[in-house]
Amino acid sequence: TQLLEQSPQFLSIQEGENLTVYCNSSSVFSSLQWYRQEPGEGPVLLVTVVTGGEVKKLKRLTFQFGDARKDSSLHITAAQPGDTGLYLCAGADRGSTLGRLYFGRGTQLTVWP
Amino acid sequence: NAGVTQTPKFQVLKTGQSMTLQCAQDMNHEYMSWYRQDPGMGLRLIHYSVGAGITDQGEVPNGYNVSRSTTEDFPLRLLSAAPSQTSVYFCASSYSIFGRGRETQYFGPGTRLLVL
Repeated sequence: TQLLEQSPQFLSIQEGENLTVYCNSSSVFSSLQWYRQEPGEGPVLLVTVVTGGEVKKLKRLTFQFGDARKDSSLHITAAQPGDTGLYLCAGADRGSTLGRLYFGRGTQLTVWP
Repeated sequence: NAGVTQTPKFQVLKTGQSMTLQCAQDMNHEYMSWYRQDPGMGLRLIHYSVGAGITDQGEVPNGYNVSRSTTEDFPLRLLSAAPSQTSVYFCASSYSIFGRGRETQYFGPGTRLLVL
């Protein structure tokens, strides 16, 4: 059973289009992170959200943490070919299992010129 | 700063062989972890450590051992390799334990392992 469900699994769009990736769970997380991974490399952290309802912007990327801290979304405006990559969300556990980070399966984004 | 380094980059093993995947970080990070990444599965936590001498199991610990004798190093041992352990392995580190703030986790470049 996957603790974090990401959708869609694959996304193929044209340059200039907008897109949203979703990360959902029935569990509450103390924080949630978004990573981007290029082929042959390790994931690189894009953002961490901690507070329910929090919105963070990173240039054309907008990240939102749900009010109940169970879900998150990543919105990209005017996508560019350089945005191509695997986007992963990850939730930090609370309480007795402090220290664990649970990853979604990822969204493979391809942006065509 | 080299960040998080992993060796080897590639490895081919035969079923039943043992090996150690090396991971080192030079950022004086308290928290280190090992993940495996399989197609369509995201990253799954194998073992993690919250400090030297302290380790704990993640989601998929069977078949793997770890130890943390120093802050810098966190090797992952495959005791008797099986084809199901064919995967890409990532080591990661962060300054503090998750859940206590806006921790940044740094990943190594990965080790690609094929078990025949």
